[in-house]
Amino acid sequence: GQQLNQSPQSMFIQEGEDVSMNCTSSSIFNTWLWYKQEPGEGPVLLIALYKAGELTSNGRLTAQFGITRKDSFLNISASIPSDVGIYFCAGQLETSGSRLTFGEGTQLTVNP
Amino acid sequence: DGGITQSPKYLFRKEGQNVTLSCEQNLNHDAMYWYRQDPGQGLRLIYYSQIVNDFQKGDIAEGYSVSREKKESFPLTVTSAQKNPTAFYLCASSPLSGGYNEQFFGPGTRLTVL
Repeated sequence: GQQLNQSPQSMFIQEGEDVSMNCTSSSIFNTWLWYKQEPGEGPVLLIALYKAGELTSNGRLTAQFGITRKDSFLNISASIPSDVGIYFCAGQLETSGSRLTFGEGTQLTVNP
Repeated sequence: DGGITQSPKYLFRKEGQNVTLSCEQNLNHDAMYWYRQDPGQGLRLIYYSQIVNDFQKGDIAEGYSVSREKKESFPLTVTSAQKNPTAFYLCASSPLSGGYNEQFFGPGTRLTVL
């Protein structure tokens, strides 16, 4: 069953605003991944995190692997209309081999 | 270009028919995965394979079957036993070496059962 809690479920923001979303769990993860999915397309990998406390940036995106290894967050700075989409977190549990567990996604809408 | 291809993009079938979705990758990845996505929901794992001629059930394997005869290919068959097959199906692959588990996705196949 679902083991990742992703929030918020949806966000409506103005262009130029910063965005923050997060994933939490009661389980310990070895890896955290963040994906973006546009309508009718497959998810695209944005950022991968492999160490507790790791902070990684990809352009205007910044993600962190929580110290407890049970959470991760993604920030988007100075949002633009093309940031619209669904953002998913995914984690690899210690005991799950190569399987990933996915959050339910955050739907981001950016108003110009 | 390296990547994952899924075909077709859209697929329509009559209720009671089996249908096979194609997934091919030329990334030389060891592992391949099939997910199902329903509107407004996350991804649910159907089957995955870490090596040729071997595969494991995911969380929602009932009504589906797979094969892995070649490293590059991992077709998914949606059988008539799947009670609600209309969905968006995503294939992914990942390397297993080096300790990295980044999964890369294909463009998806939208299956509609009439």
